[in-house]
Amino acid sequence: GENVEQHPSTLSVQEGDSAVIKCTYSDSASNYFPWYKQELGKGPQLIIDIRSNVGEKKDQRIAVTLNKTAKHFSLHITETQPEDSAVYFCAASIGAGGTSYGKLTFGQGTILTVHP
Amino acid sequence: SAVISQKPSRDICQRGTSLTIQCQVDSQVTMMFWYRQQPGQSLTLIATANQGSEATYESGFVIDKFPISRPNLTFSTLTVSNMSPEDSSIYLCSGGGSLNTEAFFGQGTRLTVV
Repeated sequence: GENVEQHPSTLSVQEGDSAVIKCTYSDSASNYFPWYKQELGKGPQLIIDIRSNVGEKKDQRIAVTLNKTAKHFSLHITETQPEDSAVYFCAASIGAGGTSYGKLTFGQGTILTVHP
Repeated sequence: SAVISQKPSRDICQRGTSLTIQCQVDSQVTMMFWYRQQPGQSLTLIATANQGSEATYESGFVIDKFPISRPNLTFSTLTVSNMSPEDSSIYLCSGGGSLNTEAFFGQGTRLTVV
């Protein structure tokens, strides 16, 4: 089955700096790659996703890049703020022919701390 | 996106007992899933809750331990049976995830077995 590796496990940055989290996946059939942010005591919240027919997607301060050949994808957060502090999870899924993208394999998570 | 509500939000249970967790979505969704998140760990898929039929379980999870119901397109339950301290985790319900929608999560049920 699919295996997703995520690095680093912890990341500490100063407010205003950029943060980058990287993930690799094993199953070349995976075609959907979401990123979730989980705050303490809450469920994961989708912050951005990318599908295999695009290489990059951006939403304000957040961007995701995908390299299908190398089977890795990355989350980039620019101009970090203290409220960005949380655990971030990458995930991968195979959706085809009307089946669901919701059956997700998650990475191990990255604890991001943004210092004021 | 739709909103998922889980009940209870947390519970402390005695070993050997069972707990049923409810998941309610505020709109119809094609797919619903149950995940487990052990303390400080990532999320692991337990099963896909299929409407009107038996759930589809992932490797390492069995129906006798985690029976699941899904009577309609907005509601599902997960039961954690014959609990032991190793079952102490956060259990999360997820919905959506069709080709045009992302998968969204409830706030989770924090279970402690003593």
